Amino acid sequence: NAGVIQTPRHKVTGKGQEATLWCEPISGHSAVFWYRQTIVQGLEFLTYFRNQAPIDDSGMPKERFSAQMPNQSHSTLKIQSTQPQDSAVYLCASSHPGTGEDTQYFGPGTRLLVL
Amino acid sequence: GQQVQQSPASLVLQEGENAELQCNFSTSLNSMQWFYQRPEGSLVSLFYNPSGTKQSGRLTSTTVIKERRSSLHISSSQITDSGTYLCAMESRGSALGRLHFGAGTQLIVIP
Repeated sequence: NAGVIQTPRHKVTGKGQEATLWCEPISGHSAVFWYRQTIVQGLEFLTYFRNQAPIDDSGMPKERFSAQMPNQSHSTLKIQSTQPQDSAVYLCASSHPGTGEDTQYFGPGTRLLVL
Repeated sequence: GQQVQQSPASLVLQEGENAELQCNFSTSLNSMQWFYQRPEGSLVSLFYNPSGTKQSGRLTSTTVIKERRSSLHISSSQITDSGTYLCAMESRGSALGRLHFGAGTQLIVIP
């Protein structure tokens, strides 16, 4: 079990460019979460899929951010026209709801720096 | 308002001392997790503990729902315990699934 895989681990973009972050959940896990972490705001929820369907995107900035889960083995978070304030560590987590212990397991994160 | 409050914000211990980290929450709890964040940033799940007490080695987690608090006790601290400890709660109701994180307790263990 490789755990949750996130790529790339580091990404540097120029202001206005697009960034796509990838997440591969633990095999068999049906729930996928995206969070981001900054020094100022701490760890914040962005969005959540269950069985590939979007369940809750209330944490997503309404403009420029979008997330998809085209199949059970990966999810993507896309940021269009990146801004310096988007710089953060983006964390993906997966869990297996309904087992009685819905532990969320986190990937190593993608550190995004927007110059 | 902030749903999860952790204390203390930081703690310095001498090796061998015990630590008690606190997490208080303001809404109805569905589940509680404790995480350890390594210095390079990766999050390790320590406990999934919606109620009661769980122990793993030198770590003990206790969640008391009606008092809206959870604690993490570290006994006989070691230098390798240094890092940030985060609690995260899942609320009941419409926000089921998402975790609300506390700001963390930064622990430094010195020789």
